[in-house]
Amino acid sequence: EAQVTQNPRYLITVTGKKLTVTCSQNMNHEYMSWYRQDPGLGLRQIYYSMNVEVTDKGDVPEGYKVSRKEKRNFPLILESPSPNQTSLYFCASSTGTSGEPYEQYFGPGTRLTVT
Amino acid sequence: GENVEQHPSTLSVQEGDSAVIKCTYSDSASNYFPWYKQELGKRPQLIIDIRSNVGEKKDQRIAVTLNKTAKHFSLHITETQPEDSAVYFCAASRWDSNYQLIWGAGTKLIIKP
Repeated sequence: EAQVTQNPRYLITVTGKKLTVTCSQNMNHEYMSWYRQDPGLGLRQIYYSMNVEVTDKGDVPEGYKVSRKEKRNFPLILESPSPNQTSLYFCASSTGTSGEPYEQYFGPGTRLTVT
Repeated sequence: GENVEQHPSTLSVQEGDSAVIKCTYSDSASNYFPWYKQELGKRPQLIIDIRSNVGEKKDQRIAVTLNKTAKHFSLHITETQPEDSAVYFCAASRWDSNYQLIWGAGTKLIIKP
C-alpha cells in the first residue's frame, strides 16, 4: 500500500531534550516536506527536500533540522525543543520535481507537546 | 513572496445548501491552486486543483473557479452533505519553478442537519 508513515504519532517531552520524528514514504517520491499545523495558522512549511542530499528552508525553519540521506526517509530533528514547538507535525511527499503539478501525500501526523 | 488569504475562517450551512470558500493570492506568477480537505483528526487530502490556464474545473459536487485578473480562486460545494464537514485549505504555487506550496489558514465548514 502506497503511504507516508510518521513515528511517533504522539510525543510528550521536556524542554531541551533532543528528539527525532521519522518520516518514510514507499512511493519513490523525490519531493518531501515537513509542516507544522497550529490553530488559526494553517499549514506552515518547516523544511523541504527536492531529492537526496538536497534540502531547503521553508517558512518556519528556526529550531529544526532535517536530513535526506535516502530517498524514502526525511527525519525532522529538534536539537533543543522549546514549548513554542508544541504543535501537530505533518510529513508529506510528492512526485514533484518535474512535469505536472503534484499532489502532496501526507503522513498521519505527530502531535508533539514540549513542557 | 507569495501570500494566501482565505475566507471565511468558519462557515456554517444547512445540509443541502451550497458552500463557497474564497482565497486570494499575491504573486501573479502563481499557476497552480490546489484545495485540500482535512477531516477531524485526519491528514489533509487533495480534493481538487486548478492550473492558471483554466478558469473552472468541476468534479461531481465540487468545483473550483479561478480569476487571474483579480488573483482569487474559490471552492464551491453544492448539495452539501454531513460528510462535507471538515477544514478546507487552499494553496498556491509556481509549480514550474518553485515547488513550495503557500497555504491559506483554513476554513472550518459545518454542515447543519
